Amino acid sequence: GAGVSQSPSNKVTEKGKDVELRCDPISGHTALYWYRQSLGQGLEFLIYFQGNSAPDKSGLPSDRFSAERTGGSVSTLTIQRTQQEDSAVYLCASTPLGGITEAFFGQGTRLTVV
Amino acid sequence: AQRVTQPEKLLSVFKGAPVELKCNYSYSGSPELFWYVQYSRQRLQLLLRHISRESIKGFTADLNKGETSFHLKKPFAQEEDSAMYYCALSGQRGNTGKLIFGQGTTLQVKP
Repeated sequence: GAGVSQSPSNKVTEKGKDVELRCDPISGHTALYWYRQSLGQGLEFLIYFQGNSAPDKSGLPSDRFSAERTGGSVSTLTIQRTQQEDSAVYLCASTPLGGITEAFFGQGTRLTVV
Repeated sequence: AQRVTQPEKLLSVFKGAPVELKCNYSYSGSPELFWYVQYSRQRLQLLLRHISRESIKGFTADLNKGETSFHLKKPFAQEEDSAMYYCALSGQRGNTGKLIFGQGTTLQVKP
């Protein structure tokens, strides 16, 4: 596809379960970001992948959160033992050359932990 | 450390009134600054970037390094401008290229 694709669009999970969120970036984009969007918190940076460099994980809120990017393309954000405060929209973005260029966003995954 | 501050969560104006959405930043190097917009039920998208020095949909933003600000302005607001606006900052290379956003400001333009 032409844009950043995220799946699933919506996810409802029970507290304590693990979830995986997927992001397919635009082909050829070297940089990929994950953000969390929640009411009152704005757009919270989670993790940043740039080419073959070590990812910047400084925004991950706890060790329950992890992400990987396989083959420099698809990325998966995993949340273990989900808590109600993890409920939010998780956004993925990719850019051709890192933060200095326009970021293209996916439609997001709305996660609800019940 | 990189930081972006948008002091207003909500800005409500009448159609035709001037609009200024405030953005202040903290960064030790030379930043790249952006405004992103999210209209209802649409994806977050780039509105403008300071390096382009362009006006998009009537909006402009000037980088003021002395005040570390990048406020977004429009002289006459339109109802279709109602949206969530995010100010964003990026360093120039390597891991400083991560893109950090402010908390966002909801602009509500009333008829």
